Amino acid sequence: SQKIEQNSEALNIQEGKTATLTCNYTNYSPAYLQWYRQDPGRGPVFLLLIRENEKEKRKERLKVTFDTTLKQSLFHITASQPADSATYLCAGSNSGYSTLTFGKGTMLLVSP
Amino acid sequence: DGGITQSPKYLFRKEGQNVTLSCEQNLNHDAMYWYRQDPGQGLRLIYYSQIVNDFQKGDIAEGYSVSREKKESFPLTVTSAQKNPTAFYLCASSQAEWGISYGYTFGSGTRLTVV
Repeated sequence: SQKIEQNSEALNIQEGKTATLTCNYTNYSPAYLQWYRQDPGRGPVFLLLIRENEKEKRKERLKVTFDTTLKQSLFHITASQPADSATYLCAGSNSGYSTLTFGKGTMLLVSP
Repeated sequence: DGGITQSPKYLFRKEGQNVTLSCEQNLNHDAMYWYRQDPGQGLRLIYYSQIVNDFQKGDIAEGYSVSREKKESFPLTVTSAQKNPTAFYLCASSQAEWGISYGYTFGSGTRLTVV
C-alpha cells in the first residue's frame, strides 16, 4: 500500500538554527506533496504545497523540496524560533482531486 | 471569519451507543473529509465527499456512517459496530480541485472517549 514515512523521533534544535524534516514515500508516486503544522489538541494547519515538477518552493522562512529520484521531500525552517515547536505532517496525493495520505508526523522542539 | 466548526470538542460514549459528530464549514468548499488520529499514528481517512448527496468510503469506514445533505455540513456517526472508537476525529474541507496551492482546511477536532 502507498505510504508516507516521516522520522518518528523528535528533532531537537537550538533557536536560530535551520530545522530540516524528511518525508519519504513508498509504493506510489504522488503528484503533490503538502506540509502541515499541528499543535497539541488542534487540527493541522496547511503550510505549503509542492508539485512533482517543482524542485523547490519557498514561503517566508519555510522551504520545501521534492526529489522524485530519491522519492523524498525535505522541509526546512530557517532561523527557527521556539514558537516553531510543533508536529509537522507530510501528505501526498496522486492528483488535485485525490484524497491525501498522511505520514505520522515529526515533532520539532526548538529550545531558546 | 470563514472556517470549519467541529462540535462538540469532547464527547463521551457508552458501550453500544451511537454518537454523531458535527462538522460545518462556511468556506464554500465542495469537498469534505473525516479523518481519525490515534496517538503515534498518522491521520487515517474514514469518509469523504466531493459533492452534495455523494460520499465515498476511505481506508477505515467500517463502523462509521456519514451524510452530505447540504454543502456546508458533513456529520459523522460513530456506530456501536466501531469496536475501538476512542480517538481524535478531524474534519477537513477543500476546493474540489485544490492543486492551486490551497490545501485542506481542518477543524479543531472532537476527542471521543468510550466510557
